[in-house]
Amino acid sequence: GQQVMQIPQYQHVQEGEDFTTYCNSSTTLSNIQWYKQRPGGHPVFLIQLVKSGEVKKQKRLTFQFGEAKKNSSLHITATQTTDVGTYFCAGPRHNNDMRFGAGTRLTVKP
Amino acid sequence: GAVVSQHPSRVICKSGTSVKIECRSLDFQATTMFWYRQFPKKSLMLMATSNEGSKATYEQGVEKDKFLINHASLTLSTLTVTSAHPEDSSFYICRGPREIGYTFGSGTRLTVV
Repeated sequence: GQQVMQIPQYQHVQEGEDFTTYCNSSTTLSNIQWYKQRPGGHPVFLIQLVKSGEVKKQKRLTFQFGEAKKNSSLHITATQTTDVGTYFCAGPRHNNDMRFGAGTRLTVKP
Repeated sequence: GAVVSQHPSRVICKSGTSVKIECRSLDFQATTMFWYRQFPKKSLMLMATSNEGSKATYEQGVEKDKFLINHASLTLSTLTVTSAHPEDSSFYICRGPREIGYTFGSGTRLTVV
């Protein structure tokens, strides 16, 4: 069945450095979503990408959807301590559900 | 945006007892609700989908008799962990349907001692 692979598992950066997490699917995705989960918190929806080659920005966050709609990335420019958390991508599943990637845990050293 | 209210946020229970977790949709009517389980530092795994007025749909490997899901109304879905054991300790979280914007409840951290 469809799998969503996400790398890296962990990323530790110095504040001000950039950060990128990548998701790859074994099949073409109709859409992909990104979530952020702060330590001890619940996942919060960030964005959904639908179109092939789509690029969306939210302040310092840049989201990309690959041309083949099988991969996606989230890039954070000049990380801040408030960016700490785990970032998940998720692809659609049957029954209106999503299949989540393993997540990338970001830590930021001040 | 839509709000999914989940409680309790934390619960500690003794082995063998049952724990009920509630998720309420505060400003929308949900015919479905998704229940996930998350182990420490792991991803979210779908356990089951509750359906208002009918039986829940469980994922493969999830014990129906242990994790009782009820969706009695359009605003309330519950997950009951029956005869809890320490291995059931986890973070349980519900999510509303896509139509309300992929909103998660705040989660319940269950510790079974």
